[in-house]
Amino acid sequence: EPEVTQTPSHQVTQMGQEVILRCVPISNHLYFYWYRQILGQKVEFLVSFYNNEISEKSEIFDDQFSVERPDGSNFTLKIRSTKLEDSAMYFCASNQREGKQYFGPGTRLTVT
Amino acid sequence: GDSVTQMEGPVTLSEEAFLTINCTYTATGYPSLFWYVQYPGEGLQLLLKATKADDKGSNKGFEATYRKETTSFHLEKGSVQVSDSAVYFCALSTQTGANNLFFGTGTRLTVIP
Repeated sequence: EPEVTQTPSHQVTQMGQEVILRCVPISNHLYFYWYRQILGQKVEFLVSFYNNEISEKSEIFDDQFSVERPDGSNFTLKIRSTKLEDSAMYFCASNQREGKQYFGPGTRLTVT
Repeated sequence: GDSVTQMEGPVTLSEEAFLTINCTYTATGYPSLFWYVQYPGEGLQLLLKATKADDKGSNKGFEATYRKETTSFHLEKGSVQVSDSAVYFCALSTQTGANNLFFGTGTRLTVIP
């Protein structure tokens, strides 16, 4: 079965630094998503992306966050100036217009 | 707003025991309901889903019934195996398939031989 991949599996960064989390969605999918899970808390929706633009975003997705699909395969999440509270597991997902979402294994971000 | 409340974990069961993980939801309209599972080191995988009231989703011996009157979607399995050890997430979507998902906190299940 096709799968979503994410790199790196674990990223450690210092507060105030920029990080880019990378995802390769399934090739024929049209919708792309980022979610995050702070340790012990719910998986929270961050943003959805379709047709090269953000289609929906949550309150969490403030000006510090941005997403991009720089080429035909990658989908990235950038955090401009990381804060301690950004430490979480970040999941990428993708799907077609009417189909289940396929999730990647996640990137664990640790901000020190 | 839309939300999911999921049974607190962790849950530890002996092999062949009966499993129930409770999930209730709050949503406007008519959501679709899902159970996702995450095995160690892997991404979330869709386990089963139900898109309307009284639908029963089932897969790999797991079942859940969409109960509109109790706003619930409890996950059950009659006889768990060690290989079922994972984290289980209840989720809802207010549009079928393509829209963003609202998740519960997840319930870690450990099955011991």
